[in-house]
Amino acid sequence: QKEVEQNSGPLSVPEGAIASLNCTYSDRVSQSFFWYRQYSGKSPELIMSIYSNGDKEDGRFTAQLNKASQYVSLLIRDSQPSDSATYLCAVNSGNTGKLIFGQGTTLQVKP
Amino acid sequence: EPEVTQTPSHQVTQMGQEVILRCVPISNHLYFYWYRQILGQKVEFLVSFYNNEISEKSEIFDDQFSVERPDGSNFTLKIRSTKLEDSAMYFCASSQRDPKIDGYTFGSGTRLTVV
Repeated sequence: QKEVEQNSGPLSVPEGAIASLNCTYSDRVSQSFFWYRQYSGKSPELIMSIYSNGDKEDGRFTAQLNKASQYVSLLIRDSQPSDSATYLCAVNSGNTGKLIFGQGTTLQVKP
Repeated sequence: EPEVTQTPSHQVTQMGQEVILRCVPISNHLYFYWYRQILGQKVEFLVSFYNNEISEKSEIFDDQFSVERPDGSNFTLKIRSTKLEDSAMYFCASSQRDPKIDGYTFGSGTRLTVV
């Protein structure tokens, strides 16, 4: 069974701090990885994708991938209260674009 | 910005009834998906659809489920005989290019409540 694991949290950080969200996956052949943000009662919204080892930056967000350790992370710099949401790690499985999602980490950014 | 549109936003149905959940993907998208999320649980893959046929389906997607793209714009999910455990949020998603690289856009979802 292919799994994606995240700490459900909540992760609480003060406004302006760096939030660090982590994810591990079990399928060693996975090629691409995604972070989605989901506000309560809403649909997932794509934040970033990454498929090469190392860091990928987009504005305040940095995704990090380490395929050897089967580990993906998301850093959010200068966290804002509006960043408070559940962050879903998703791993591509196979050739059809199917995603396997983690449980999600709830982030709370306190003013 | 283009959106994936889902209707209805909330559907209540009696156990054993058929329901059809409707989605209008973004117009030039080629890859289509249905996912569901039971309250408090993970987002789960149901089915992928490309080139007018199912490309992959999960164990959840049994004979009670079907998908159709009847007119080149709508993409529907039918549940023939609903069960209580089908109560969930159902999300449609679509992608223009290779979803393995670009990911995809989710619709706003249909909350299905089976009573």
